[in-house]
Amino acid sequence: EIVLTQSPGTLSLSPGERATLSCRASQSVSSNYLAWYQQKPGQAPRLLISGASSRATGIPDRFSGSGSGTDFTLTISGLEPEDFAVYYCQHYDSSPLTFGGGTKVEIK
Amino acid sequence: QVQLVESGGGVVQPGRSLRLSCAASGFTFSNYAMHWVRQAPGKGLQWVAVTSYDGDNKYYADSVKGRFTISRDNSKNTVYLQLNSLRPEDTAVYYCAKAPTQSQRGYFDYWGQGTLVTVSS
Repeated sequence: EIVLTQSPGTLSLSPGERATLSCRASQSVSSNYLAWYQQKPGQAPRLLISGASSRATGIPDRFSGSGSGTDFTLTISGLEPEDFAVYYCQHYDSSPLTFGGGTKVEIK
Repeated sequence: QVQLVESGGGVVQPGRSLRLSCAASGFTFSNYAMHWVRQAPGKGLQWVAVTSYDGDNKYYADSVKGRFTISRDNSKNTVYLQLNSLRPEDTAVYYCAKAPTQSQRGYFDYWGQGTLVTVSS
């Protein structure tokens, strides 16, 4: 089973600042089979990124994904008020599919 | 537009059973694998089960294997999750989620709003 470790657990930033979220895998994720989701309180997760760097339909270009192998990053180039939420990474390289523990981006 | 609507959650005693349903619309249901993902209160996301587009192949997380059964009815555009021998640690919001392809190995491009299952005596 691939274990995903997200860091930091909480990121305290102000609107307009850049957010950098990390997702590290316990073994290499082949073909960059990694996705990122955003979840707001009381809501279902929403797909942001698949294939490590491909934005989903309707996702603003301030969201970008990068990385390969075992190290992946989600960057939000300038935080908007609606971006304060919890973010999860997920691999789909093999079964079982697993998620990271999440990074909460909160208003400083 | 894609819509996934779960139902069937509720409060149930340990050891009892429950069946969740997820009604899909807005896409050709029979062309896509479908998943269930759960989230315990205040916790992260956990993948639970997947069924292939035709229902012939099913895979489960170890924590539910032998107790939960995923199935689908393509004539009704609905995916189900039968939960047997429920335990308190199964308490969670259960989401159904659509795969982007026929493959069971993938990410989740659309999610339902979730249904809460509470296992308590």
